[in-house]
Amino acid sequence: AQKITQTQPGMFVQEKEAVTLDCTYDTSDQSYGLFWYKQPSSGEMIFLIYQGSYDEQNATEGRYSLNFQKARKSANLVISASQLGDSAMYFCAMRGNTGRRALTFGSGTRLQVQP
Amino acid sequence: NAGVTQTPKFRVLKTGQSMTLLCAQDMNHEYMYWYRQDPGMGLRLIHYSVGEGTTAKGEVPDGYNVSRLKKQNFLLGLESAAPSQTSVYFCASSYSRDRVNTGELFFGEGSRLTVL
Repeated sequence: AQKITQTQPGMFVQEKEAVTLDCTYDTSDQSYGLFWYKQPSSGEMIFLIYQGSYDEQNATEGRYSLNFQKARKSANLVISASQLGDSAMYFCAMRGNTGRRALTFGSGTRLQVQP
Repeated sequence: NAGVTQTPKFRVLKTGQSMTLLCAQDMNHEYMYWYRQDPGMGLRLIHYSVGEGTTAKGEVPDGYNVSRLKKQNFLLGLESAAPSQTSVYFCASSYSRDRVNTGELFFGEGSRLTVL
């Protein structure tokens, strides 16, 4: 079984500052993938970034980077230079090594960017 | 470029009524999923399908049925709605194996269901 834990229900950050959203995971699979999705107030799920368990380098996508620490089973999302449009719910998710390829989601972190 | 389309977007039901949510994808994806989202609980997998004519249970399947008669469509049915099924429902699809990148899920816009 897989489990994702996001311990920060809500976070505040000043515009233009960097922020780290925490995510820890638990799995017995050797091969797995970690994902972050953004859900703005409009409700859609937007894929942000992916990290494979065998990737040696941390994933980056524009202002998003994933701080992957395999030994600690953590996959924190770092958003640099926060913008007002970054205000949203953020979900960490993982896909284990099963045929169904479904994602298991954490409970989410609500980020509010303040001007 | 529609992607994943869900209908209806909103629905109000009375306890005991039945309804079907339709999900359609135009990306030729093999895998399709139904999730529900409740406050403070993230998204939980209801049912999924790994191909036309196949369905399987996820983590919270009770009270729901699904069908995948055509590759592009995945239907979620509630035979006798209960207030506990008030939620936002998301359909998603994905490739059957990793492509260049990730195999991420592509989501529909969600369907808000209220059961009175």
